[in-house]
Amino acid sequence: DGGITQSPKYLFRKEGQNVTLSCEQNLNHDAMYWYRQDPGQGLRLIYYSQIVNDFQKGDIAEGYSVSREKKESFPLTVTSAQKNPTAFYLCASSYRDSVYEQYFGPGTRLTVT
Amino acid sequence: GQSLEQPSEVTAVEGAIVQINCTYQTSGFYGLSWYQQHDGGAPTFLSYNGLDGLEETGRFSSFLSRSDSYGYLLLQELQMKDSASYFCAVRLGGATNKLIFGTGTLLAVQP
Repeated sequence: DGGITQSPKYLFRKEGQNVTLSCEQNLNHDAMYWYRQDPGQGLRLIYYSQIVNDFQKGDIAEGYSVSREKKESFPLTVTSAQKNPTAFYLCASSYRDSVYEQYFGPGTRLTVT
Repeated sequence: GQSLEQPSEVTAVEGAIVQINCTYQTSGFYGLSWYQQHDGGAPTFLSYNGLDGLEETGRFSSFLSRSDSYGYLLLQELQMKDSASYFCAVRLGGATNKLIFGTGTLLAVQP
């Protein structure tokens, strides 16, 4: 079965710790994206990558970092510099020319206390 | 800046028709997508309008008017399972090949 997996589903961390969220896809998509969703809000783009070894900042990149060493994987690190890291994080992927049709993973709910 | 406006909540009854509007002001525009998200779940793609006019996919249709910077999602024969949040998203295109999402419309379908 093709799809996107994110792990873990729930993650708890103490303030001041970096944490890495996993995102893997086997859809053979070139492009991958990370979004943050806060309660009652839309999706805000953190980082995106259109090809391996390349990525661009989205609208709210401060306090986050990514890597894209493999086509299938796009991990997101939430650093201690992110002031309000508690949120629902969604990873998505698409064909490079079909950014309008993104496939989403189940999300990781991160709570930082 | 970029802005997309949608109503925050809409309520309708089973079997009815509901229209969710989206107006946008963005620095670029290639097209308008619609996504559905059930509570706590992942968004799923519903439709895309790259050109003006109506696109129909089963019970769902989507419309775009580029001259009015306006689109809507039309849901017919509403079912309880249609209760969810619906997001419009603008495809910016060009060098910034990404989507900008609206804040979403929460649709409550009542029996």
